Amino acid sequence: AQTVTQSQPEMSVQEAETVTLSCTYDTSESDYYLFWYKQPPSRQMILVIRQEAYKQQNATENRFSVNFQKAAKSFSLKISDSQLGDAAMYFCAYRTPSSGAGSYQLTFGKGTKLSVIP
Amino acid sequence: DSGVTQTPKHLITATGQRVTLRCSPRSGDLSVYWYQQSLDQGLQFLIQYYNGEERAKGNILERFSAQQFPDLHSELNLSSLELGDSALYFCASSLLDTSAIYGYTFGSGTRLTVV
Repeated sequence: AQTVTQSQPEMSVQEAETVTLSCTYDTSESDYYLFWYKQPPSRQMILVIRQEAYKQQNATENRFSVNFQKAAKSFSLKISDSQLGDAAMYFCAYRTPSSGAGSYQLTFGKGTKLSVIP
Repeated sequence: DSGVTQTPKHLITATGQRVTLRCSPRSGDLSVYWYQQSLDQGLQFLIQYYNGEERAKGNILERFSAQQFPDLHSELNLSSLELGDSALYFCASSLLDTSAIYGYTFGSGTRLTVV
């Protein structure tokens, strides 16, 4: 079974600085998708960024970028120019490849709580 | 508003009781997923429905069941509730084939407290 590990339960960053959140996963598949979700105090799960395993280029979305190392099964999230609104729980997720029956559930890590210090 | 509606937002009930959580997927989405988020835990996949049919099961207890109706809304039934069932229950929806492109749209969750 696929597993997703986030080894940093909590992290903090100064406003305007850069922070990197770590994520590793275990899979025997060669094609899959990876996601970072943000969960602010409102509890809403918000998609931050996604990466296809077959693409070597790292995904970027404005201040958010990933460092995808397929061989190492590592998928870290870098937040640049951190803002107070970035304070939240961040979850790394792996999408189970299609089983042919169309099963696409996500496997989540336990999350990293990010605090932003003014 | 994400487009996925979950009701109720909060629910407090006693041990041994039965509750029903409701989810209306985003318009056009055929697939519904249920997740459980316990304290200090990530989201655990419970079950998936696609166009009315069960598609995948995760670590869902036998006391829990779900269904998806012809109008695509879904209900998660939790029975013989225990204190450990207290959690945040999320529903997410996707169009299935495009889920990897656009991710999944999550509702705001139902906070269940069993006392």
